[in-house]
Amino acid sequence: GESVGLHLPTLSVQEGDNSIINCAYSNSASDYFIWYKQESGKGPQFIIDIRSNMDKRQGQRVTVLLNKTVKHLSLQIAATQPGDSAVYFCAENDRDDKIIFGKGTRLHILP
Amino acid sequence: EAQVTQNPRYLITVTGKKLTVTCSQNMNHEYMSWYRQDPGLGLRQIYYSMNVEVTDKGDVPEGYKVSRKEKRNFPLILESPSPNQTSLYFCASRQGNEQFFGPGTRLTVL
Repeated sequence: GESVGLHLPTLSVQEGDNSIINCAYSNSASDYFIWYKQESGKGPQFIIDIRSNMDKRQGQRVTVLLNKTVKHLSLQIAATQPGDSAVYFCAENDRDDKIIFGKGTRLHILP
Repeated sequence: EAQVTQNPRYLITVTGKKLTVTCSQNMNHEYMSWYRQDPGLGLRQIYYSMNVEVTDKGDVPEGYKVSRKEKRNFPLILESPSPNQTSLYFCASRQGNEQFFGPGTRLTVL
């Protein structure tokens, strides 16, 4: 079946550097993609989203890039801070308006 | 404050003892869901509800029941819990494409 997945389960980044978290999706009909952040002991929180008719969207310190040609989604976090430590999930809204989550990437911030 | 609340946050129970996890949202959202989160499997949808008195199975509904008698509440019912239902459970409400998650309920079934 079609699914959303992540390239790396764990990513370690030096504090102050930029982080890039990747995600591959396989459902070419999906028209909406979302990134969530889940801190320890909490539920996932919405970070940023992007529609399939866009290739880039920027928020505060975060940028999402969408490459439909290779079905790839990435989340860039600028000047990574200790508070960015979390598990990050990508998700897609499929043709049935159902949100499917990837399995997550854990981001470690090195001092 | 807009939020989704769940109770209890932690629960240890024994096989076969019926339990209910409550979920409530104050955002007047029509769409609500229950997910379970397991290591290596990510978030999987158990049940969802698109409006009052309308509920549908998600990806892993076996062993669970839900009800939606009013818009704000969406309880998850385990009639006869089993150890394979040990998991972290999240309730969520949805407005358009944005989901708001509760803080989670960690359930252990012995």
